Amino acid sequence: EAEVAQSPRYKITEKSQAVAFWCDPISGHATLYWYRQILGQGPELLVQFQDESVVDDSQLPKDRFSAERLKGVDSTLKIQPAELGDSAMYLCASSFRGGTYEQYFGPGTRLTVT
Amino acid sequence: AQSVSQHNHHVILSEAASLELGCNYSYGGTVNLFWYVQYPGQHLQLLLKYFSGDPLVKGIKGFEAEFIKSKFSFNLRKPSVQWSDTAEYFCAVLYAGNMLTFGGGTRLMVKP
Repeated sequence: EAEVAQSPRYKITEKSQAVAFWCDPISGHATLYWYRQILGQGPELLVQFQDESVVDDSQLPKDRFSAERLKGVDSTLKIQPAELGDSAMYLCASSFRGGTYEQYFGPGTRLTVT
Repeated sequence: AQSVSQHNHHVILSEAASLELGCNYSYGGTVNLFWYVQYPGQHLQLLLKYFSGDPLVKGIKGFEAEFIKSKFSFNLRKPSVQWSDTAEYFCAVLYAGNMLTFGGGTRLMVKP
């Protein structure tokens, strides 16, 4: 069964450092999502791509976060500089199209900022 | 801003007990409703969804949910839980604009 791949699974970084996460969606899925899940809370959408274009990044802290999906396939989420409050699980999801199509989630990257 | 509330953060049940997890949302327009589940060590996965039609929807593993529009609710139910249902359950609402909004989650522990 096809799955969404993410790496790394765990990342520890010091504050003010740069960190990057990678996501490979299910083949053929045009829509890709990045979520942040703080411990004890539900996932919060950071950015949504349709192919290589950003559809929604209204919740992305653009002063330090950036996301790209250059070829419309895999995607990278970057944080620079990392802050203590960025410690969270970063989830990637993909769907065939946006809207009501089911989102399939990856295992996530757990980030700890020290 | 739209919001999703899950009233129970932690629930502990014995096997064979009945389950009902509450979910309320704030938006009064057209919504699509979902329950996701995350078993220990596994990915978030879809349990069931409601788009339109019969407000009682059935999902995998014997779960069902009822959409009550007048109460802005979409509660999850299972008549008899099993130890393997131990997981975290998330209600999510798709509002106009295609942004999926999650509730805070409910951790369910089923004692054997």
